[in-house]
Amino acid sequence: GQQVMQIPQYQHVQEGEDFTTYCNSSTTLSNIQWYKQRPGGHPVFLIQLVKSGEVKKQKRLTFQFGEAKKNSSLHITATQTTDVGTYFCAGDFGNEKLTFGTGTRLTIIP
Amino acid sequence: NAGVTQTPKFQVLKTGQSMTLQCAQDMNHNSMYWYRQDPGMGLRLIYYSASEGTTDKGEVPNGYNVSRLNKREFSLRLESAAPSQTSVYFCASKPGTGNYGYTFGSGTRLTVV
Repeated sequence: GQQVMQIPQYQHVQEGEDFTTYCNSSTTLSNIQWYKQRPGGHPVFLIQLVKSGEVKKQKRLTFQFGEAKKNSSLHITATQTTDVGTYFCAGDFGNEKLTFGTGTRLTIIP
Repeated sequence: NAGVTQTPKFQVLKTGQSMTLQCAQDMNHNSMYWYRQDPGMGLRLIYYSASEGTTDKGEVPNGYNVSRLNKREFSLRLESAAPSQTSVYFCASKPGTGNYGYTFGSGTRLTVV
């Protein structure tokens, strides 16, 4: 089946350190989306990447889509306590439904 | 503008009981989805409705049924609840076909004992 693998499962960082989570698909994606879920909350849409090699930035967050449209990453520079939560990638294989990765739970050590 | 509203927020069922999870969106979206979230497994698609009048199975449809009552409402029914259906259920919607982000409801935490 169509799967999206995401690593790492957990990441603990000191406040101010950087954080990166990676997603990989075995087949080409139509687009990839990123979501953030705060503890006890629901997923919130962050961004969508559609083009091969696309890079988008939102303040301290940088999102990349691979040249082959099979992998993606989210990088947070200088983490803050407000960044705590689980980050999910979600791949669209062109069939109008998203397949979510298992998520990376980010905890911040003050 | 409430977005996606799910009811109830919490529910405890006994094995074999039935219930319907309700979802309504007020954004005039065409596509609606039901996901379940279990620890370490991300979100898995149960059923979806690409447009009013259509429904399709997702990755884990067994034990569930859905109804797209109208454009706003998409309900999920458990006919005979099992402990394996203990999970957090999220409803989501998007405007229609094409590249759009999903808007999620706040979820229903279901425990089957």
